[in-house]
Amino acid sequence: GAVVSQHPSWVICKSGTSVKIECRSLDFQATTMFWYRQFPKQSLMLMATSNEGSKATYEQGVEKDKFLINHASLTLSTLTVTSAHPEDSSFYICSARAGLARAKNIQYFGAGTRLSVL
Amino acid sequence: AQKITQTQPGMFVQEKEAVTLDCTYDTSDPSYGLFWYKQPSSGEMIFLIYQGSYDQQNATEGRYSLNFQKARKSANLVISASQLGDSAMYFCAMRVSGGSYIPTFGRGTSLIVHP
Repeated sequence: GAVVSQHPSWVICKSGTSVKIECRSLDFQATTMFWYRQFPKQSLMLMATSNEGSKATYEQGVEKDKFLINHASLTLSTLTVTSAHPEDSSFYICSARAGLARAKNIQYFGAGTRLSVL
Repeated sequence: AQKITQTQPGMFVQEKEAVTLDCTYDTSDPSYGLFWYKQPSSGEMIFLIYQGSYDQQNATEGRYSLNFQKARKSANLVISASQLGDSAMYFCAMRVSGGSYIPTFGRGTSLIVHP
């Protein structure tokens, strides 16, 4: 199956600092990538949809100035958590959608990033 | 709007036995896709199996099969010959053609395989 690489897998930072998470599709071009947040023992919560070359579409309740998304190329999307605070501690996971012509539009996920803000 | 329901928060199965994880869905869109993902404790979401609404046959991938009952709007995952490594969270998801292909996820089912 398609491979999505997410980095870093684990990050600890001080309150007030910014953290950047990268999501790369390694063997296919992804015009659309998704960013999710997952709390312990809960399902995935979609934060935003990232389209290459355009602004991200954020879900209701997600602060776009807090969670900056950049989709600069067909294989890379980044999520920056700005001025992180302890309540931002969570598991963040990205996914990339293979195009309709490939693999039934299946979303492939990165391994996730565990963010701990002290 | 589409909705995915997984009513089993937790399931237990003995190694080498088969287990069925339930998933029901609701949508008015005639064209949709159903997915199952596995999430082990490491956190990664692993794609397991896909079923399209127009597919005539139930999808199968190795030990995984999807019991697709369109009239009942159910898409249960069947894992045959369970292995200890199958212990994980399992999520059912659906995307419709009219929803920008953004999938909706169920709440998940925790499966524990014991020896």
